[in-house]
Amino acid sequence: GESVGLHLPTLSVQEGDNSIINCAYSNSASDYFIWYKQESGKGPQFIIDIRSNMDKRQGQRVTVLLNKTVKHLSLQIAATQPGDSAVYFCAETVKNTGNQFYFGTGTSLTVIP
Amino acid sequence: EAGVAQSPRYKIIEKRQSVAFWCNPISGHATLYWYQQILGQGPKLLIQFQNNGVVDDSQLPKDRFSAERLKGVDSTLKIQPAKLEDSAVYLCASRRPGTNLSYTFGSGTRLTVV
Repeated sequence: GESVGLHLPTLSVQEGDNSIINCAYSNSASDYFIWYKQESGKGPQFIIDIRSNMDKRQGQRVTVLLNKTVKHLSLQIAATQPGDSAVYFCAETVKNTGNQFYFGTGTSLTVIP
Repeated sequence: EAGVAQSPRYKIIEKRQSVAFWCNPISGHATLYWYQQILGQGPKLLIQFQNNGVVDDSQLPKDRFSAERLKGVDSTLKIQPAKLEDSAVYLCASRRPGTNLSYTFGSGTRLTVV
């Protein structure tokens, strides 16, 4: 089966610092990746995506890096704010699987004011 | 654009009882997914619909779980009979056909089986 995992289950950062959340995936056929943010009591919310033909994509305060050689994905959050406290999931979709996403376990980010 | 609506928000039942969850996707979203999220884990796909047809139900425990989307809009997910290990959040997501592959998730139904 698919394997999408995260290196750290929890991460605490000071407000204003940058956060880096890592994710490893095992299927080299994966061609599209998404980072989701899930706040307590809510469903996952799209943050940023990246296709396998890219190695970096930037959004507002967030950057996703993709290293296909080692099958590693990271999410960088600049100037982390208390509202960024949530669980972050990486998800991958594999070619020819109906665009079904496979989710990792998640990293819980806590921002310390 | 209204989001994905799910109800109820919470449900507590005893084991061996039955329960049903309802999902109303975003208007125009032909693809609908049900995911199970056990506490501390990432969502796991149960079933995928395209309009009113099932695309993939390979991970649905069919001896106790069933789902339908009769008119290609709303969907219901049923568990009968429930087991303790079914305690989880059941998330519905929908997606508009096109190049953007991202889902929009509902807030989920939190099920507790006691």
